[in-house]
This record gives sequence, structure tokens and C-alpha cells, in this order.
Amino acid sequence: NAGVTQTPKFRILKIGQSMTLQCAQDMNHNYMYWYRQDPGMGLKLIYYSVGAGITDKGEVPNGYNVSRSTTEDFPLRLELAAPSQTSVYFCASSYSNGQETQYFGPGTRLLVL
Amino acid sequence: RKEVEQDPGPFNVPEGATVAFNCTYSNSASQSFFWYRQDCRKEPKLLMSVYSSGNEDGRFTAQLNRASQYISLLIRDSKLSDSATYLCVVNINNQGGKLIFGQGTELSVKP
Repeated sequence: NAGVTQTPKFRILKIGQSMTLQCAQDMNHNYMYWYRQDPGMGLKLIYYSVGAGITDKGEVPNGYNVSRSTTEDFPLRLELAAPSQTSVYFCASSYSNGQETQYFGPGTRLLVL
Repeated sequence: RKEVEQDPGPFNVPEGATVAFNCTYSNSASQSFFWYRQDCRKEPKLLMSVYSSGNEDGRFTAQLNRASQYISLLIRDSKLSDSATYLCVVNINNQGGKLIFGQGTELSVKP
């Protein structure tokens, strides 16, 4: 199993550009999550999904959108990139609702200039 | 008050030392507790879950005090490879499996 994969690994965006961060898992997990991590800080939840077709906001959803059309994929969309969105983005998945381990992807480093 | 608060780091210790990390959480409804490890510029990985009775995994011991809303991690006989950031993580079950992360405590083990 590849586990949780994320692409791209690194990206530089100009203010106002848009992009999609890809996330896929091959463990047949129901739950998927997007986090951001700023330097010296813990992870903050952006959006999460409890299954295909179901998404919900986390702690810091503004400026982002998600969709979950399949169990495997959970892309994160930035519509109008802002410098405040410079961060490392981690996707994670788990089989159920938090009693189970969350498995993280390797992260996407995003720089908005 | 932060929902999950950890000892500010960094901790610099010699090989073989015993080091303890502390963590407090603010929501008394919290149900599940974990320690994750994060190496520099890498993703977090589960180190161990924390159970009410306390639990041990080799050189690592985790303790939970629900009355005080306090979690600890003890590392005995520190190795160079233990150098990493340790994240205290709490799950509040009525919030759909969302994990709340502390800011992390950095550990550096020196020869």
C-alpha cells in the first residue's frame, strides 16, 4: 500500500492564483482530513470528510474548498491564494472517527508571494 | 486558553537521559489522547495512544490524569534517534473525529 499520497510536494503561487492540492489514500479509509501547519505551531484542521459525498468545516476553512467524490480522493482547492496561506499542508486519513490512528501524507509546502 | 497546551521547548538532553513532556487540555469532554512524533520537515506519525491506566511501550511511558486534564510522556534512556518534535493530540468524540494538536515540544538528544 502507498498509504496517503499528496501532490505536489512544493509549489510557489502568486497572490490571486488558484490551485488544487491532491490527496489520495489506498487504505479504504472512510475519514479524511486536511490540516495546515505554520512554523512552530501545531496542526490546524481545515476541512474533513466522513465519507464520499460528505464534507465539513474544521477550525480554519476560510479561503479553501474541498470535495469528496470517491473514498480514495480528497482534493483541497485554494481559489484566490493569499500570503496568509503560506504553510505546509498535510492530508490524513483514518478508518473511523478518531479512536483509530490517523495516517498522514508527506505534506505539500506552499509559498504564496 | 489553548485547547491543548504543551511544555515550550526545546529540550536539549544528553544520550541516556530521562526526559518528560507535559500537556494539558481544556475540554473535559475529551475522550481519546495520543502522542505523535514529527521529524523535521516530515509528517506526524503516531507514537502511542494514551490510556486511562497509563501505558508503556519500550522506553516510552504515557500517563493520563483526567481529573487534572493532564497528559505526560516519559522517555527513558534517550537515543539520538529520539530527536524530534513530540505532539500532544486530543480527540473530542462529539466532534466527528477531529484531532486537536498541541504546538509540539522539540527534543534534541546530544551525544
